[in-house]
Amino acid sequence: AQTVTQSQPEMSVQEAETVTLSCTYDTSESDYYLFWYKQPPSRQMILVIRQEAYKQQNATENRFSVNFQKAAKSFSLKISDSQLGDAAMYFCAYKEYGNKLVFGAGTILRVKS
Amino acid sequence: GAGVSQTPSNKVTEKGKYVELRCDPISGHTALYWYRQSLGQGPEFLIYFQGTGAADDSGLPNDRFFAVRPEGSVSTLKIQRTERGDSAVYLCASSLEPYNSPLHFGNGTRLTVT
Repeated sequence: AQTVTQSQPEMSVQEAETVTLSCTYDTSESDYYLFWYKQPPSRQMILVIRQEAYKQQNATENRFSVNFQKAAKSFSLKISDSQLGDAAMYFCAYKEYGNKLVFGAGTILRVKS
Repeated sequence: GAGVSQTPSNKVTEKGKYVELRCDPISGHTALYWYRQSLGQGPEFLIYFQGTGAADDSGLPNDRFFAVRPEGSVSTLKIQRTERGDSAVYLCASSLEPYNSPLHFGNGTRLTVT
């Protein structure tokens, strides 16, 4: 079975600084998707960024970018110019064909002003 | 509505009781998913519907859990003889189709079994 591991239970960053959240996964498939979701106290899971495994180029969405290392099965999220509104729980998730996601345990991100 | 709606937002029930959790997906979304999120963990897949039928129910933990989507829109997750271990946030998500469309999540129902 596929597994997703987030080794950092909690991270802190100063406002306007950059932080990187780590994620590794285990799969024998070559075609799959990876995601980062943000979950604020409202509990709603909000899609931050998505990466398709067959694309070598790292995905970028404004201040959010990923470092996708397929051979190492690593998928880290970089948040630049951190803002107070970025504080939340962040989940890394894996998906094969079909929409069933496997989530990691999450990383709490705290942003200091 | 504009997003996925889940009701109730919070539910407290006594051990052994029956509960129903409702999910109203985004209009036009054919695929609907239920996930369970225990405290301090990531969501775990329970079941997914394509239209009215359950396409994959491999995540349902046991036969006390059942879900329906009779008209291909609203879905109800039903839990019989609740146990304290069922306490969790139950998240619903929908997508336009089940393969490449992004999931849109609701705010979840926090179930507490006393």
